[in-house]
Amino acid sequence: QKEVEQDPGPLSVPEGAIVSLNCTYSNSAFQYFMWYRQYSRKGPELLMYTYSSGNKEDGRFTAQVDKSSKYISLFIRDSQPSDSATYLCAMFQGAQKLVFGQGTRLTINP
Amino acid sequence: DTGVSQDPRHKITKRGQNVTFRCDPISEHNRLYWYRQTLGQGPEFLTYFQNEAQLEKSRLLSDRFSAERPKGSFSTLEIQRTEQGDSAMYLCASSFGLAGRETQYFGPGTRLLVL
Repeated sequence: QKEVEQDPGPLSVPEGAIVSLNCTYSNSAFQYFMWYRQYSRKGPELLMYTYSSGNKEDGRFTAQVDKSSKYISLFIRDSQPSDSATYLCAMFQGAQKLVFGQGTRLTINP
Repeated sequence: DTGVSQDPRHKITKRGQNVTFRCDPISEHNRLYWYRQTLGQGPEFLTYFQNEAQLEKSRLLSDRFSAERPKGSFSTLEIQRTEQGDSAMYLCASSFGLAGRETQYFGPGTRLLVL
């Protein structure tokens, strides 16, 4: 069993829809959580970085962490075709090593 | 451009050949990381440097792999006697800090295909 599980999709939604992306993890030592976005044939870029349980909002993006359930989510409001990408959840194992989920491939249809 | 850069962006080689990749981190970033990403998977940690010291290596990094960061600036990743299973995207990232868990900024990657 992988330490971080993420539904690989693919997920296809119409423009303007609310998108929900999720990851579960098994290691309660994970305390710092990130969401990266990766366009095709590019490197990942950081979208959100959270530590506490609860919600963190940045523009159209909201990251949610539930440590008691070992479950994190990323919500995208008013989705745009430019949001079409692979979304990766990531967590620190120790102080330096990132452990990633498999990634969810998202397509926003105009 | 002040981001992480990697060279080459693409490499095709024959099985058994040696290949070397270069990563230039963001200026003054003291930590540098290598990850490997296969198709349809998330990146997997390979190794990291703090300045010129290699402080952690994954068990994924077999003895055919070697990484260096000789002056604490750019880094190289060499794969000897390549195998078809080495085909992947090799990602470099860098960060700055002292306490750990700082944001890691990724480069565009080097895509390796071993025939």
